[in-house]
Amino acid sequence: GAVVSQHPSWVICKSGTSVKIECRSLDFQATTMFWYRQFPKQSLMLMATSNEGSKATYEQGVEKDKFLINHASLTLSTLTVTSAHPEDSSFYICSAREGGLGPLYEQYFGPGTRLTVT
Amino acid sequence: QKEVEQNSGPLSVPEGAIASLNCTYSDRGSQSFFWYRQYSGKSPELIMFIYSNGDKEDGRFTAQLNKASQYVSLLIRDSQPSDSATYLCAVRTGGFKTIFGAGTRLFVKA
Repeated sequence: GAVVSQHPSWVICKSGTSVKIECRSLDFQATTMFWYRQFPKQSLMLMATSNEGSKATYEQGVEKDKFLINHASLTLSTLTVTSAHPEDSSFYICSAREGGLGPLYEQYFGPGTRLTVT
Repeated sequence: QKEVEQNSGPLSVPEGAIASLNCTYSDRGSQSFFWYRQYSGKSPELIMFIYSNGDKEDGRFTAQLNKASQYVSLLIRDSQPSDSATYLCAVRTGGFKTIFGAGTRLFVKA
């Protein structure tokens, strides 16, 4: 089956620093990758959608200059949290889609990255 | 009104019973519907999807969809303690964006 990996699985950083999270599709080419954020006991909130080689599309309320997304290849997308603050502490999950766009496309989820900003 | 609504629970059922999880959605143009299971600290895993009105069965799981009522449900038969998790309802809109509900926590008591 399709596998999506994320690195690191958890990270602790100091307020004001930047953190990069990698998302890789290991055995398929991901035409689209999605970045989600999940706070405790809350749902997954879509942050942005990125297509390989294109600029990411950010959801309303998500600061594109704070959450930098780069989808440089069909197997790698990165999310950089710039000037992190404690309120950015969350569980970040990426998801990848293979193939054409339609109502039944399957999303493959990565294992998530737990970010704690101190 | 939230786009995808679920009862947060917790829903507690005894082992062997049927667990019934419900979800309503607001976008009538939604085309496909998904149920995910999420264990604490883990990412979601797909249980099943449905896109036609009616029932769809897969092992101990049955998804039910009623587009007129904008309602989708998941039944888990012969519930096991290992089924204890948060169940997320997800709806794919006409723009092919997937919107998640907040999830229902299920506890299956041994």
